[in-house]
Amino acid sequence: GQQVMQIPQYQHVQEGEDFTTYCNSSTTLSNIQWYKQRPGGHPVFLIQLVKSGEVKKQKRLTFQFGEAKKNSSLHITATQTTDVGTYFCAVYQAGTALIFGKGTTLSVSS
Amino acid sequence: EAGVTQFPSHSVIEKGQTVTLRCDPISGHDNLYWYRRVMGKEIKFLLHFVKESKQDESGMPNNRFLAERTGGTYSTLKVQPAELEDSGVYFCASSQGTEQYFGPGTRLTVT
Repeated sequence: GQQVMQIPQYQHVQEGEDFTTYCNSSTTLSNIQWYKQRPGGHPVFLIQLVKSGEVKKQKRLTFQFGEAKKNSSLHITATQTTDVGTYFCAVYQAGTALIFGKGTTLSVSS
Repeated sequence: EAGVTQFPSHSVIEKGQTVTLRCDPISGHDNLYWYRRVMGKEIKFLLHFVKESKQDESGMPNNRFLAERTGGTYSTLKVQPAELEDSGVYFCASSQGTEQYFGPGTRLTVT
């Protein structure tokens, strides 16, 4: 079945530093979604990308979908303590479910 | 609009016992999904309902797990008998399109 590899598994940064998590697939993806799960919380949808080379921004968050639609990244500029949590990429398979990456857990020290 | 709700929030049971988890999706959402996250690992798909029908149950680990969605509204996931490896957080999600809305999860601990 389709799989998405996500790296790194953990990342610790100082507040104000940037953070990036990467999602890769060996096959072409029809779409990529990103979710954030706060500690003790549940996954919350952030965004969906569907077009080759697509770039979308949400305040300090920048999402990219690769030209070949085999990789994606989430970049956070100037992290804040509120950014703490686990970021998951996921592929939505029409008619069925989300296939999640293993997630990147971000910790931020002030 | 109320979100996805799940009950109970926590459950601690002994190996061999039975537990039933409940999920109430967002009203009007035909799609209902069950996922499970075992400590430190990825979120794994269990099954998908469209209204009251099971669309895909390929992620169900074994026949100790039984999911129902009577009347196409709320859903239950029963584990009988529970094993130690069933411990984890069980999430329910609902959708009407591609964006899925997750419930708060049920943390199941089997001792």
